[in-house]
Order: sequence, then structure tokens, then C-alpha cells
Amino acid sequence: DAGVIQSPRHEVTEMGQEVTLRCKPISGHDYLFWYRQTMMRGLELLIYFNNNVPIDDSGMPEDRFSAKMPNASFSTLKIQPSEPRDSAVYFCASSLVYPNYGYTFGSGTRLTVV
Amino acid sequence: AQSVTQLDSQVPVFEEAPVELRCNYSSSVSVYLFWYVQYPNQGLQLLLKYLSGSTLVKGINGFEAEFNKSQTSFHLRKPSVHISDTAEYFCAVSRMDSSYKLIFGSGTRLLVRP
Repeated sequence: DAGVIQSPRHEVTEMGQEVTLRCKPISGHDYLFWYRQTMMRGLELLIYFNNNVPIDDSGMPEDRFSAKMPNASFSTLKIQPSEPRDSAVYFCASSLVYPNYGYTFGSGTRLTVV
Repeated sequence: AQSVTQLDSQVPVFEEAPVELRCNYSSSVSVYLFWYVQYPNQGLQLLLKYLSGSTLVKGINGFEAEFNKSQTSFHLRKPSVHISDTAEYFCAVSRMDSSYKLIFGSGTRLLVRP
């Protein structure tokens, strides 16, 4: 398996623009997670899905953030409009039914909003 | 709610010396415990996990961790480190009963010097 695939690896955008981050989880995994990593706040869970259904989005910072999972093999995280404080590395992770299998993380998308 | 504390933000050590990275957790219910490693510009990779059974858990790259319930700790150890072990290490906890969310510590940067 190719693992969790995220695109793009790097994204530089201007403030106010829409940004879409993409994730392809490992085939057969039931859970998908979006995390954000910054120096100041560390790793933050933004939202997670179970069988394509959003379960907990309490970590989504503002209404500017939205996430979808239209099918088992694809998820997006969208920021509209983007702001400089959204600059961070965004990780997608997937796992099987139980967390005791451990999460598999993607390589992340480094977002810079100027 | 669960929480994870990694008291050491950075641990410098010389090559071939032993190392211990400390992790303490807080939880009112039984938990699973994990250690992840993040190499520069990469995603997080599972090092080892404690689910049940033996309190000494062995992982990849020669790392091991010991679960101590009375002290609510899960410290990570390696008897002899290599330059290539330089990375960020994250301790994480998840509830056994229902939640599939991993709560991460703030991370410890292991810096191995020649």
C-alpha cells in the first residue's frame, strides 16, 4: 500500500484566497483524521470521520474551515478565506476500526498564507 | 478528559549514549498509549504502542517503553542512540472505551550529537 497520500506537499497562497488540501487514506481504513501542527500549539485534531461521516468537528477553528469525505478514498480540507494565521502543516491520518492499530499519517501539506 | 505531558521539550545526548524521553498521562478511564516519531519534513510514524499485557513494550529502531500505571507514566528508552535518531518524539493516549481520538503530548526533540 502506498500509505496515506496528501497533496499538495507545499502550498503558498495569498490572504483571502481559497485553499483546498487533499487526502487519500489507506484502502480499507474506517477512520480519517485531519490534524494541524504549529510551533505554538503543537498537534491539534481538527476533525475526524468514520465511514465517511464526520463524527467530531469540535477542533475546527472557525467557519472558514470545512472538511468533506465524499467517498472512502478521498477527503478534502478547505479554508475560505485563508488568513496568515492559518499557516501550518496539515496532516491527514487514517486507521482501522480500533485505535489500537495506530494511526498512519500522511507526509503533510505545508501551507503558507502571505 | 485525557491529557499527556512531555516535560522535556528538548533532550540533547551524545551518540551511543542511552536516552529516556519522559511521558506522563492523566485519565479517569483505562487508556492505550503510543509513541510516535517525526523526522524532519515527514509525517508521524508509529514507534510502539501499549494495549495490554506486558508493561514493557518493544518497538522499531531499538526503542522500548514501560507502562507504569501507579505513576501514570510511559517513558521511552533506547540503550544506545544514533545520529539518525534525531527527531521529534510524541507520546499519545486514547481511551479504551469509546473515543477514537488520539491526544498528543507537546513533543520532545531528541538531538543526538557526534
